[in-house]
Amino acid sequence: DTGVSQDPRHKITKRGQNVTFRCDPISEHNRLYWYRQTLGQGPEFLTYFQNEAQLEKSRLLSDRFSAERPKGSFSTLEIQRTEQGDSAMYLCASSFWGDTQYFGPGTRLTVL
Amino acid sequence: SQQGEEDPQALSIQEGENATMNCSYKTSINNLQWYRQNSGRGLVHLILIRSNEREKHSGRLRVTLDTSKKSSSLLITASRAADTASYFCATDLSAGKLIFGQGTELSVKP
Repeated sequence: DTGVSQDPRHKITKRGQNVTFRCDPISEHNRLYWYRQTLGQGPEFLTYFQNEAQLEKSRLLSDRFSAERPKGSFSTLEIQRTEQGDSAMYLCASSFWGDTQYFGPGTRLTVL
Repeated sequence: SQQGEEDPQALSIQEGENATMNCSYKTSINNLQWYRQNSGRGLVHLILIRSNEREKHSGRLRVTLDTSKKSSSLLITASRAADTASYFCATDLSAGKLIFGQGTELSVKP
């Protein structure tokens, strides 16, 4: 257990539905990152926050994806109008500034 | 696109043998990190090596970094069946954003 938690651990949804994932980072960490990992690949960066500010978004992140970190603590990642190509493991990580990133267990999304 | 490339993609060894995995990358980095991932689970941080460091040790792990060749290696000595996992290198270009390679799948047979 790294201290980073994610909820839910698994989500099965039908194409076109909206889904929301939550990440609770290590409490003293000011940076929070979201990554996506598909089978047989390494994680790909999606976006990151420094405190409550979203400082960078990957070009991979279409307009259907939105992330928030309203009080600089937990974060949510929402996917609207899900597509089958969104099926993946969504990983959250946190760090103190640019130091070691600690990853949560991930949320596995299956879009039917 | 992936910045790093791990080599080999898969490695199978006997318990007690050493395992060496290599990682190459393309651009200048702040640091390079190695992670382990058991099947279907989250990533576990192993070692962070900064761009001004050449070698780091942690228990049975040894990581080297050659910035002139833009490469790093991870050595696991006296491997155990429990070391069976995928190993990823990740480069930190700036602001902590990690770029991962595709990983090396290590299988340690008892």
